Amino acid sequence: AQTVTQSQPEMSVQEAETVTLSCTYDTSESDYYLFWYKQPPSRQMILVIRQEAYKQQNATENRFSVNFQKAAKSFSLKISDSQLGDAAMYFCVTHLYNFNKFYFGSGTKLNVKP
Amino acid sequence: GAVVSQHPSRVICKSGTSVKIECRSLDFQATTMFWYRQFPKQSLMLMATSNEGSKATYEQGVEKDKFLINHASLTLSTLTVTSAHPEDSSFYICSARGMGSSTDTQYFGPGTRLTVL
Repeated sequence: AQTVTQSQPEMSVQEAETVTLSCTYDTSESDYYLFWYKQPPSRQMILVIRQEAYKQQNATENRFSVNFQKAAKSFSLKISDSQLGDAAMYFCVTHLYNFNKFYFGSGTKLNVKP
Repeated sequence: GAVVSQHPSRVICKSGTSVKIECRSLDFQATTMFWYRQFPKQSLMLMATSNEGSKATYEQGVEKDKFLINHASLTLSTLTVTSAHPEDSSFYICSARGMGSSTDTQYFGPGTRLTVL
């Protein structure tokens, strides 16, 4: 099994500011993938960003970027220039390459203040 | 691309009846589909994993005779809640894992809210 820990149940950020969501995980596997998904009030899960563990370069998608520290098993999400539409639950998710299963963190609720 | 639909989006049924929820990958073939249950303000709880043409793999504590899963094709999986009871009321979400370059990414359906009276 694999555990994924999101230690921040809720966070707030001012519009246009930057916020970082934390995620740590525990695995003995060497091949895995990491994801951040957001779940807005509509409850539709939306893929935000994806990182392959074998890649050292941190993934970026427009205003979203990750800080992947493989040795520390840390995978944080940075949201720059926060927008009101970024308000949602954010889930950190891992996927082991050799297993057909995804593991979810408990989620971080992000509030964006105008 | 990578769109997953789920039907119905909302269903209300009487206790003792059965409810079927469909999950379809619209623009890709899904080797695997997952069924999750989500309680309010909580994370997703994996119920079962289904692969096309084979029996579903259920997580510990999930009754396979109560939650019937069929994955008849590479684009369709169904979840049937049999003899539903009020405690089965929840938000059910499916996801699909594609073939090809995006096999390690799962794409989610919009969810189904089930209310059992």
